[in-house]
Amino acid sequence: EVQLVESGGGLVQPGGSLRLSCAASGFTFSNYNMNWVRQTPGKGLEWISYIGSGSATINYADSVKGRFTISRDNANNSLYLQMTSLRVEDTAVYYCARDTTLSWFDPWGQGTLVTVSS
Amino acid sequence: QSVLTQPPSASGTPGQRVTMSCSGSSSNIGRNTVNWFQQLPGTAPKLLIYGNNRRPSGVPDRFSGSKSGASASLAISGLQSEDEADYYCAAWDDSLNGPVFGGGTKVTVL
Repeated sequence: EVQLVESGGGLVQPGGSLRLSCAASGFTFSNYNMNWVRQTPGKGLEWISYIGSGSATINYADSVKGRFTISRDNANNSLYLQMTSLRVEDTAVYYCARDTTLSWFDPWGQGTLVTVSS
Repeated sequence: QSVLTQPPSASGTPGQRVTMSCSGSSSNIGRNTVNWFQQLPGTAPKLLIYGNNRRPSGVPDRFSGSKSGASASLAISGLQSEDEADYYCAAWDDSLNGPVFGGGTKVTVL
């Protein structure tokens, strides 16, 4: 069974940092492009970052460019999101999601909540 | 404010047909395919429709998608109580160089 499990969320103060992880299982992780998508009550779903299967291609949404860094470890079937200079508006549930040849974002992990507050 | 525009709510009784729209522009829906995602209460989104009108394995044929110009729609025929969820459309945006979402439509089964 294809499974994605996020971890690393929590409460952090504005300006702080946090590193999210996504553990993949049930498929050959190194063959697939991966994404981070976040969801807030106010702004809904927002794609924030993409990384190609070999890490050669990386893209970010303008809202996180320069503050967030996506990376992956194919040997350990893991995806990461290093978040720095966090803002209150970064408060959201963060999901990792796989791309396939048919579609992006299939499947999604269960999400991890990041709360940025003083 | 989402890039794609969806009505906030839709409703129907069991067995009815419910449709919902997704409006975009020439930089997204107008030139790219549309995906739809279903989010059941308390769960992560799940791919429901890809490539405008294709269903992944396991998705009932009660769900159908269509696209015309810069708009798309999702229809649920034979509405069931388990279809009560939030539905999101998404499409690649050439101007933003990334996928964009609608704000979601909450479907209520009366």
